[in-house]
Parts: sequence; C-alpha cells; structure tokens
Amino acid sequence: AQTVTQSQPEMSVQEAETVTLSCTYDTSENNYYLFWYKQPPSRQMILVIRQEAYKQQNATENRFSVNFQKAAKSFSLKISDSQLGDTAMYFCAFMKGNNNDMRFGAGTRLTVKP
Amino acid sequence: EAQVTQNPRYLITVTGKKLTVTCSQNMNHEYMSWYRQDPGLGLRQIYYSMNVEVTDKGDVPEGYKVSRKEKRNFPLILESPSPNQTSLYFCASNTLWGGTSVEQFFGPGTRLTVL
Repeated sequence: AQTVTQSQPEMSVQEAETVTLSCTYDTSENNYYLFWYKQPPSRQMILVIRQEAYKQQNATENRFSVNFQKAAKSFSLKISDSQLGDTAMYFCAFMKGNNNDMRFGAGTRLTVKP
Repeated sequence: EAQVTQNPRYLITVTGKKLTVTCSQNMNHEYMSWYRQDPGLGLRQIYYSMNVEVTDKGDVPEGYKVSRKEKRNFPLILESPSPNQTSLYFCASNTLWGGTSVEQFFGPGTRLTVL
C-alpha cells in the first residue's frame, strides 16, 4: 500500500522569505500523480500544485514550486516570497495513475509571520 | 460555477440515529470520493466511485455506506453512527483524462459530531 509521510508537523516563516515543506512517499507503482493541497482556516481544500510521475521537469505555479526526486521518492514544496495568506495546513497527496486510490500525508501547519 | 456541494455543513446527532450526508457535483466528473479528516491523520479515503453503480472501499470503510445511482450525486450514509465517527468529512470529484485520473475537487466539508 502507498504511504505518504510529512515529517514536519509545524513550520513558520517570515513574510517575504522562502520556506520548503517536505514530503516522502512509498510506492511500487510507476504511474502516479503527486499533489500539494492547501487548507486555510476556512477548511476548504485548495489544489496548490500537481506533478505527474512520468515528467522529469519540476512543476511550478507562480510562487510555488516542487522538487520531485522520483528515485528518492521525495516531493517537497517550496514557497517563495511567503505571504500572510499562505498561512494554512498543507497536505501532500499521492494518487495512482489508473484509479482513484488517493493517500494523504498528516499535514504541515505553516504560519507566515509579519 | 463548477463546484462540489455537500449538505449539511454541520450536524450534531446521537449514537445510532441513521444519517445521510449528500454530495453533488456539476462538472460531469466520473470519479467521486469521500474522505474523513482527523487531527494528526490527514485525510483518509472512505469510499470512492469510478462511475454510476461502481463503488469501492477506501482505507476506512467500516461503518459507512455509499451509493452512486446518478453521475452527479454520491451520498454518504451512516446507518448507526458512533462517537468515533465524529470527524470532518469531505466529498471530492475528478475526471478521467487520457485514461488517468487528475486532481480532485473538494466540497466545503461537513463537520459531524456524534454524541
């Protein structure tokens, strides 16, 4: 079975600084997707970024980028120029490529300080 | 507006009283899922459906039932709720693209308390 591990329960960063959230996963699959979701205090789950396992190029979305290391089964999220609105719980997630079996990590609570 | 809706948003009930949480999506997605979120555990999948009349168990299906009679609706049924089912529940939907699934779109969540 697939497992997703986020080893940092809580992190904080100063506004405008850069922060990296860690995620590792365990799978024997070759075809899969990885995601980072943001959950602000409103509890809404918001997709931040997505990475297809077959793509070697790391995904980027504005201030958000990932470092995808397939051999190491690592998928970290980098947030540049942190903003107060980035304060939220962040979840790393893994999905098999051929069905809807999706696994989430336990989450990292990020606080951006003014 | 493309969205996933859930009702009710908040529910307090008592042990053993059957309840249904509804979920509906307007994006014509084939896949729908139910999750529960508990502190320190992230989101865990309860059930998922790959299309009408096709459902399968996720990680934590015990105590829950689902049905998928229409493509847009995927209700979650707790026939005899117990206090350990107190949790935050999310419904999600996604589509097939090129034979593979893509990211899930989540509803706003339902906070359930079982006394």
